[in-house]
Amino acid sequence: RKEVEQDPGPFNVPEGATVAFNCTYSNSASQSFFWYRQDCRKEPKLLMSVYSSGNEDGRFTAQLNRASQYISLLIRDSKLSDSATYLCVVKAPSNYQLIWGAGTKLIIKP
Amino acid sequence: EAGVAQSPRYKIIEKRQSVAFWCNPISGHATLYWYQQILGQGPKLLIQFQNNGVVDDSQLPKDRFSAERLKGVDSTLKIQPAKLEDSAVYLCASSATGTGARDTQYFGPGTRLTVL
Repeated sequence: RKEVEQDPGPFNVPEGATVAFNCTYSNSASQSFFWYRQDCRKEPKLLMSVYSSGNEDGRFTAQLNRASQYISLLIRDSKLSDSATYLCVVKAPSNYQLIWGAGTKLIIKP
Repeated sequence: EAGVAQSPRYKIIEKRQSVAFWCNPISGHATLYWYQQILGQGPKLLIQFQNNGVVDDSQLPKDRFSAERLKGVDSTLKIQPAKLEDSAVYLCASSATGTGARDTQYFGPGTRLTVL
C-alpha cells in the first residue's frame, strides 16, 4: 500500500461546478497535512494546510478524517484557472519530510 | 522576498553524459531539498541538507548522483553518467528549519532534464 494515495483523474468538470478530491494516508501517527497545487510545467505551490477541525479559504475547503485516515479538498464554483494537478501531502511524524501523493488532475471546461 | 532559484530551466543530454543543476535557496533557510519528479508522479526526495550537512540521502542513487552544499547556502546536484530513466524534473526546495509541523517548503521552478 502506498503511503499517500489519490485518484489520478483526470476530473473533467464544467465551470461553476463543485468538485471534491479525496486522499488516504497510511501512517496513523501523521499530524500535518497539506494540499499543493501544480500547474502544467510549474513547481508545486502550497494551496492550503489541512487542520483537524477543517478549514476554508475562499472557494476551497479542506477536511481531515483521522479515524478513516483520509483528507479531502472541495472546490466550489470552479473557475477555468483552477485547472491544475492537486497533490495531497502528508508530513512524516518521524522526520518531518513530505510524503506526496501522485496528484489528481483537474480540468475545468467552459 | 526572492524565491528559490534554479538553473538551468531545461537541459537535453544524451545518455552517459554528465549534467549539473544549481539551486539557490531562500535567504536564511537552513534546509535544502532536492526532489526528482517523473511525469505523472509526485516529487520523490533525493537528498536533504541541513546547513552544509546531509540529513537524508537514502533515495539518492549514489552510483551516479551526487550533491553538495559546501557553504550551507547554494547547492549543486550532478548526474554522471545519465540514463534514460533520469528524464524528469529536478526540483529544489528550501525551508527555514526542516523540523516542526509548521515548517513550510518552498519550491524553485525546477530543471526539466531530457536524456536521449
